Amino acid sequence: IAGITQAPTSQILAAGRRMTLRCTQDMRHNAMYWYRQDLGLGLRLIHYSNTAGTTGKGEVPDGYSVSRANTDDFPLTLASAVPSQTSVYFCASSAQPGETQYFGPGTRLLVL
Amino acid sequence: QQPVQSPQAVILREGEDAVINCSSSKALYSVHWYRQKHGEAPVFLMILLKGGEQKGHEKISASFNEKKQQSSLYLTASQLSYSGTYFCGTKNSGGSNYKLTFGKGTLLTVNP
Repeated sequence: IAGITQAPTSQILAAGRRMTLRCTQDMRHNAMYWYRQDLGLGLRLIHYSNTAGTTGKGEVPDGYSVSRANTDDFPLTLASAVPSQTSVYFCASSAQPGETQYFGPGTRLLVL
Repeated sequence: QQPVQSPQAVILREGEDAVINCSSSKALYSVHWYRQKHGEAPVFLMILLKGGEQKGHEKISASFNEKKQQSSLYLTASQLSYSGTYFCGTKNSGGSNYKLTFGKGTLLTVNP
């Protein structure tokens, strides 16, 4: 059982380019989350999904979009990347909303 | 509302004890504690629900003081493997109970 996988592991992206970060879980968890982690700021919630077919905005949603077409996948899209989106992105899931979250290995993104 | 963690950083010698605090300005429903080692994903340690319970994990335990809107993480007889950044994630009472808000983290360094 893999748990949660994220792809790519790292990426260097030119400003203005579109990018999709992938997240897949095999635990049949209902809820999934995207966080960004920046030095000194901790983990900040970008978007979340309580169950397949629904999504919601977190603390810092601007510039990002998500979709949840099925239980397993929760991709995060940057429509037009900007340097301030340079960060480490973590995907997480929990069996039910608000329960213990399990994190993926992260994607390190550098926007130049 | 982001919980406040203190201290921001602490340096210990192996075998020493430490306490990390997590305070909220709003009534808490639950507190989740995570540890993140450098370059890795956060890993769940324990969850505390309102009711003032105390939990333990190895030589790490935590308490939840509902009245003070605070949780404390106790690391006893610290080991080198305890080094990392500790995050608390809080769920507030009365609000949307599916999102955790994380503190900025406490960097713990255990030296030989």
